[in-house]
Amino acid sequence: EAGVVQSPRYKIIEKKQPVAFWCNPISGHNTLYWYRQNLGQGPELLIRYENEEAVDDSQLPKDRFSAERLKGVDSTLKIQPAELGDSAVYLCASSPGHTDTQYFGPGTRLTVL
Amino acid sequence: GESVGLHLPTLSVQEGDNSIINCAYSNSASDYFIWYKQESGKGPQFIIDIRSNMDKRQGQRVTVLLNKTVKHLSLQIAATQPGDSAVYFCAEIKAAGNKLTFGGGTRVLVKP
Repeated sequence: EAGVVQSPRYKIIEKKQPVAFWCNPISGHNTLYWYRQNLGQGPELLIRYENEEAVDDSQLPKDRFSAERLKGVDSTLKIQPAELGDSAVYLCASSPGHTDTQYFGPGTRLTVL
Repeated sequence: GESVGLHLPTLSVQEGDNSIINCAYSNSASDYFIWYKQESGKGPQFIIDIRSNMDKRQGQRVTVLLNKTVKHLSLQIAATQPGDSAVYFCAEIKAAGNKLTFGGGTRVLVKP
């Protein structure tokens, strides 16, 4: 069974440019999460979706970050405009339900110059 | 705020020896705790979890111990192998919301 798929794997952009990340969760997983992981630290939750509904976006910097999961399957995370401090690995995870084990994708490493 | 943390940033262990990774937590209201393994260039991989009402849980070559009195969690890896080289994170979670709070990670280096 395929795991969580993310693309691109790496992205280098200049500050003030927009960037988008894509995630395809494990088939049948209703819950989807986006995390940000800074170097040497553990992941931090940005947003959680139950199907197409964002049920926890309290940690998402809404001035520049946005996310969507229109059909309750794939999801995109966007940053516009990017800042130097946004350099990190952005991880997507999914779980069958909201109380189940989370399975992580490989992440997208973002470098903002 | 309450947090989960780790005692040691790096652990070097000889191949075949046992490894012990420690973690301190401060939120006594967590429902359970999880250990994740993260290899370079990959996302965290679930290893084992333990509910807050348990003291010990065993998996394949791994054992997690929970000491609620001193709010301490440990992961023991038996007969450490080169493939065990990675960063290990402990995380706490409350069932409501399934929100993981990760610690800072311990890097395990297995020497041949």
